[in-house]
Parts: sequence; structure tokens; C-alpha cells
Amino acid sequence: GAVVSQHPSRVICKSGTSVKIECRSLDFQATTMFWYRQFPKQSLMLMATSNEGSKATYEQGVEKDKFLINHASLTLSTLTVTSAHPEDSSFYICSGTTNEKLFFGSGTQLSVL
Amino acid sequence: DAKTTQPPSMDCAEGRAANLPCNHSTISGNEYVYWYRQIHSQGPQYIIHGLKNNETNEMASLIITEDRKSSTLILPHATLRDTAVYYCIVRRYGGATNKLIFGTGTLLAVQP
Repeated sequence: GAVVSQHPSRVICKSGTSVKIECRSLDFQATTMFWYRQFPKQSLMLMATSNEGSKATYEQGVEKDKFLINHASLTLSTLTVTSAHPEDSSFYICSGTTNEKLFFGSGTQLSVL
Repeated sequence: DAKTTQPPSMDCAEGRAANLPCNHSTISGNEYVYWYRQIHSQGPQYIIHGLKNNETNEMASLIITEDRKSSTLILPHATLRDTAVYYCIVRRYGGATNKLIFGTGTLLAVQP
């Protein structure tokens, strides 16, 4: 299957700092990528849809100024958590899609102290 | 909101078949049934998908009822490494912008 690479796998930061997470499609072009967040023992929650060359579409309740998404090329989307706070601590997962299937990155565990 | 209903947990003996049910009574004609699984602290892994015919691949089989209101994922010979949360999802086929909305899934515990 197609490969989606996500980095870093784990990050610890201080409250108030910003953290960038990268998601790359390695062997296919992803015009659309999705970003999810997952709290412990819960399911994945869709945060936003990232479209190459245009603004991201955010799900209801997700702050677009808090979670900045950039999709500058067909193989790279980034999620920046700005001014992170402890409540932003979570597992963040990206996915890239062909028309048929979604392929997921390995996730980023963010811990904000 | 998720459009599927799954039991929260199931047990299965190692080496036996694991049958995971899913109800999707409001599925529309252009929606496919997808199955993914998530092992702890990893990204979800694609398993299989189908529209109305039964499907089989190297990982599993998917049985969809004739009215398409429910389906069953079958792992023919479960191993300990199959312990994971299994998600059944309906999604419109085609169109890269079609989202995958996750429900609560089924935690399958394979017992030695």
C-alpha cells in the first residue's frame, strides 16, 4: 500500500511554544490530506481537510488560528500547533488519500508541559 | 456523526476465526464499507473495503448483507498481533476529498 510518513513521532514542548508536524506522501501525490486528533482511549476525531494550494477546511469546533495547516505541495502537509497548552496534548495523525483509500501516518504524540 | 454501530469489545482465541460485526443501516447507494484497524499508539491500517459483493484479500474477508445494512469482517486465523481496535466506516467512493469519519470501533482481544 501507499506510504505516508509523519514526523516527529513524539514531541515534548513547553506551554506557549509552537510545534510543527510534517506529513509526507512518499509514493503518491495527495491533493488532499486529512488531520486527526486522538485522546487516550477515544476514537480519531477529524480536525481538518488540507487541500494542496488552497486553504484548509476545518471541522466545527476546531480553531483555525490555533491549528495552522499548510499544504504547499502534492506530497507535503504540515500542522502547526501554535501557543500550545497542556490541553493540546494529544496524538495527532495525518492521512493522505488516493481516490480509493486513505493511508495514515504513524502519528505524533504531543505532550505540552 | 459516525454512521456505523459496532460492539465495543470482543474476545477471540488464537488460531480461531474472528468475526467482527458492523451495522450501517443508513448507508446510501454510493457509499462503500471500509475497515481499518489501529494498534496501540500507531496510525490506522487499511484492511479491506467493499460495496456490495463479498471481498477477500490477504488480510481478511468482508461479508456484506444483500440489503447492505450490515457487514462482517472475518480474520480467518487470528493471532496475538491482531489485537487492535477495528473500525468499520462508510465512505463515498471516489473523490479525494471524501472524509473518513471514525466511530468508536471494536477492541478485539486475541487470547493465547
